Order: sequence, then C-alpha cells, then structure tokens
Amino acid sequence: DAGVTQSPTHLIKTRGQQVTLRCSPKSGHDTVSWYQQALGQGPQFIFQYYEEEERQRGNFPDRFSGHQFPNYSSELNVNALLLGDSALYLCASSPAGRNTDTQYFGPGTRLTVL
Amino acid sequence: AQSVAQPEDQVNVAEGNPLTVKCTYSVSGNPYLFWYVQYPNRGLQFLLKYITGDNLVKGSYGFEAEFNKSQTSFHLKKPSALVSDSALYFCAVSYWDNNAGNMLTFGGGTRLMVKP
Repeated sequence: DAGVTQSPTHLIKTRGQQVTLRCSPKSGHDTVSWYQQALGQGPQFIFQYYEEEERQRGNFPDRFSGHQFPNYSSELNVNALLLGDSALYLCASSPAGRNTDTQYFGPGTRLTVL
Repeated sequence: AQSVAQPEDQVNVAEGNPLTVKCTYSVSGNPYLFWYVQYPNRGLQFLLKYITGDNLVKGSYGFEAEFNKSQTSFHLKKPSALVSDSALYFCAVSYWDNNAGNMLTFGGGTRLMVKP
C-alpha cells in the first residue's frame, strides 16, 4: 500500500518565478491538505481540498493556489515567488477530512528561492 | 482559535531512561490531539492520537501520551528511550470549522536527543 507521494523532492527557483508541486494521496483517501514548514518551525496549514474544491484555507496570500483532480491527487501552485517562500512543503491525506481523522504526510518538497 | 505550545526546544535523555516531551493546548470545544515525529529531511510520521476515552493513549514504537483535561496537556512519554528515538517531535490539535474541513495546528517542535 503506497503512502503519500510528492514530487519533486527538491526544487530551486528564483524570485518572481512560479512553481507547481504535486501530491498523490494514500490509497483510499480523498482529502488532501498542504502545509508549509519553514526551517526550525512547525508546519503551517495552507489549504485543504475535498471533492475537487478548496474546503478550508489558512492565512496564506492568494499567490498560493491549488487544485485537486478526480483521482484525488493535488497540486500546489505558488506565483511570484519570494525569498520567504523557501520551505519544506508537505502534503497530507486523510479519509474524509473529519477532525478525528489522522492525516498522513508525504516526504515533502524542499523549495529554495534564490 | 486554537493553539499548541511545546515549551521545550530540546530534551536530552540518556538511553534506557524514561522520556517526556511536553505539550499544552488551547482549543474551544473537544480537543483532538496528535503527536508526529520528523526525522532529518523527512516528512512527518504519525505516532498516536487522542480522540476520546482513556486518557492514556498508546502509539507506535512504544510511545504513549497522557491527556490531562484540567491541565490542558498532552505529554508524550516512553518508558525507555533509544538512541534511534532522536528526532524532532510535533504536537498538533485538530480543528473542525462548521463542516468546512479539518486543519492541524502544530506546536513549534521539540528536538529529542538520546545519548548512549
């Protein structure tokens, strides 16, 4: 049973560029959440997708957007990259996004903005 | 609003000794609490969760956590530490907002160092 997978593993971009990160949820899961983990900090919630719609959003600007596909996989897009966007981006999946559900995390994508 | 605090940036313990990693929370309504572990350059790995019922929750790799409602705490414990337990540990609380989905709010993390 494959767990949550993310691609790419590492990414280097320059300021002002755009980036797309990808996530495939754990088998049987239909809810995908994205988190940003800056160096030395705990993960911060970006948004959650369920049934191909953004269901909840954290305190992130509109430069951060996402998408969920019919097969439940998801993309995170970040436009007009800033140096402060450098972080580990984590994807998590859960069965239905209930508050009692465990979220299972992927290995993350390390984004470096120069 | 909900929040989680992990008051210790680092915990040092000798191998074979018991360990405790502290977590306190603030949430309106029933708390749903989680512990995750993160190894270097890796994602978060689920250890255990408290939903309801017994205040002592048992999880993976011999870890357990004690829920204390009066002290709003959810401390992670292990009777005998291993060097391989050395990692970054995160406490998190789940929040459900009017069927709008759940989000995890994490503490800042505690680095556990187990020395031989």
